[in-house]
Amino acid sequence: DTGVSQDPRHKITKRGQNVTFRCDPISEHNRLYWYRQTLGQGPEFLTYFQNEAQLEKSRLLSDRFSAERPKGSFSTLEIQRTEQGDSAMYLCASGMGGRGQPQHFGDGTRLSIL
Amino acid sequence: QQQVKQSPQSLIVQKGGISIINCAYENTAFDYFPWYQQFPGKGPALLIAIRPDVSEKKEGRFTISFNKSAKQFSLHIMDSQPGDSATYFCAAFTGNQFYFGTGTSLTVIP
Repeated sequence: DTGVSQDPRHKITKRGQNVTFRCDPISEHNRLYWYRQTLGQGPEFLTYFQNEAQLEKSRLLSDRFSAERPKGSFSTLEIQRTEQGDSAMYLCASGMGGRGQPQHFGDGTRLSIL
Repeated sequence: QQQVKQSPQSLIVQKGGISIINCAYENTAFDYFPWYQQFPGKGPALLIAIRPDVSEKKEGRFTISFNKSAKQFSLHIMDSQPGDSATYFCAAFTGNQFYFGTGTSLTVIP
């Protein structure tokens, strides 16, 4: 399967701990997006990369969140000092970028904060 | 502020019926409008998409109708099947971002 892969699928942690998620995009895609999805809502944009450059961040991305995409391949999203409100599904998507280009999602990492 | 407004929130349709989900937007800079289907525990999967220079696009049982002047677009699922039961999201793209609607939970009753 050459789709978008995310790891882990589910993460349970205590409040205050740090967590890191990984996303492996479709190999030929130069754009990579991170979204957050809560129950009953659509995906909310967090940030995106064009190759290795992080070009845009949402105001939802507080300073406790950091994302990287070294070498323009896989990406990681780290949340420091997790809070109850961070509980959500974190989705990664990749695409070719540009007008009219679709993006393809992974199955997400569900984060549960105890 | 919700950039893309989606309705209804939930929809129940008999097998074989037509499911219709509507979305509206204000930002005329949007230039690409996809629909996604999401099953529980899975990420959204691209279903069908349209650009604003086209008024209708059909792929199998799925049709997007696009009304540029009204800034509205809709998804029609013909001959709805129980396997279509899922959450559907409309989205709109401009520049560098996709903006998603809040989703419609579709249940198709056998």
